[in-house]
Amino acid sequence: RKEVEQDPGPFNVPEGATVAFNCTYSNSASQSFFWYRQDCRKEPKLLMSVYSSGNEDGRFTAQLNRASQYISLLIRDSKLSDSATYLCVVRGGRSGGGADGLTFGKGTHLIIQP
Amino acid sequence: NAGVMQNPRHLVRRRGQEARLRCSPMKGHSHVYWYRQLPEEGLKFMVYLQKENIIDESGMPKERFSAEFPKEGPSILRIQQVVRGDSAAYFCASSGPGGLTEAFFGQGTRLTVV
Repeated sequence: RKEVEQDPGPFNVPEGATVAFNCTYSNSASQSFFWYRQDCRKEPKLLMSVYSSGNEDGRFTAQLNRASQYISLLIRDSKLSDSATYLCVVRGGRSGGGADGLTFGKGTHLIIQP
Repeated sequence: NAGVMQNPRHLVRRRGQEARLRCSPMKGHSHVYWYRQLPEEGLKFMVYLQKENIIDESGMPKERFSAEFPKEGPSILRIQQVVRGDSAAYFCASSGPGGLTEAFFGQGTRLTVV
């Protein structure tokens, strides 16, 4: 099983719609979770951290389910500028290595259509 | 600019030459991570360093690749005797102490081996 798994998409969504992505992780000892956004050929940028209680930032809502080991991202009222690749990132608790590096999913490609 | 600085942004090397990629972390950050991204692929972890220490190099190829983060100066990723397959975007990220905080990325170095 891959450490961090995401549906690669692409998700084609009309502008204004609500879209949700899930991500699953394999290491139950993982401690921190994030969503990053990557635009074509650019560096990943932190979108939001994911807290156990769930958190919201404007049109974006992130949820964490530790029991089922998945993280979700919900985007409401999607904009054309939301088109990007969304990367699920898990940190900490890597078995065997002792490091707290970041483990990235391969990303979910989102296309918002006018 | 208080962000993560990588240089050069673009690097062209002939097969067999050496490539040196530099990364200056954000001010106050003591953890550095290097990632490689091949065209149309996800980010692959290479190495995680703290000042003067390699914490996790499980993603580094066994030969030709090395990394350091000296007490003074930037982190360096060195690729000796480059081959065409080394052509990729190399991203550096840094984070603060504690190991569980968010990481921020530099703009990357795009290496082309001709």
